[in-house]
Amino acid sequence: QKEVEQNSGPLSVPEGAIASLNCTYSDRGSQSFFWYRQYSGKSPELIMSIYSNGDKEDGRFTAQLNKASQYVSLLIRDSQPSDSATYLCAVPPSGSARQLTFGSGTQLTVLP
Amino acid sequence: GAGVSQSPRYKVAKRGQDVALRCDPISGHVSLFWYQQALGQGPEFLTYFQNEAQLDKSGLPSDRFFAERPEGSVSTLKIQRTQQEDSAVYLCASRAMNTEAFFGQGTRLTVV
Repeated sequence: QKEVEQNSGPLSVPEGAIASLNCTYSDRGSQSFFWYRQYSGKSPELIMSIYSNGDKEDGRFTAQLNKASQYVSLLIRDSQPSDSATYLCAVPPSGSARQLTFGSGTQLTVLP
Repeated sequence: GAGVSQSPRYKVAKRGQDVALRCDPISGHVSLFWYQQALGQGPEFLTYFQNEAQLDKSGLPSDRFFAERPEGSVSTLKIQRTQQEDSAVYLCASRAMNTEAFFGQGTRLTVV
């Protein structure tokens, strides 16, 4: 089992719809969770971080964390074509020096 | 510039050739990370520096990989006797205390 797993994708949604991206992790000691967006040929860019159970909203983005289920998700409301990218879930292993363990990413396409 | 700078952006190496990849972190960032990203995968941790000290090199795939940061700023990742499986994008990230990590654009290495 990989340490960080994401739903395989690719995922296509129509413009204006809600895109739902999911991630599970294996390390119960992990305390912080990150979502990165990576456009093709570009570097990963942090878009959301979450540390506590529940929801965290930032504009059109909502991160949801459930530590008991070892599950973290990202919702994108009112999806735009410019949201088309690969979304990477990242978790620092407990006891690490803050390096990140990434999932393999979910490729999202928002259709105009 | 204000961001993490990596050079070269692209490198083609013949199998067996040695290569050196450079990372200029954001000025003042104490932590520096190297990641390897294969096509269609998330980045995988290679090594971590705090200032000039290499505190974690557990992700280096073999003894052909070597990284240094002698003055606590610029870092070089060296790969000796390159193999085809070394073909990937090599990402550098830097971070100040209690901030997010910022990634460079990466070096795409192709071994032929």
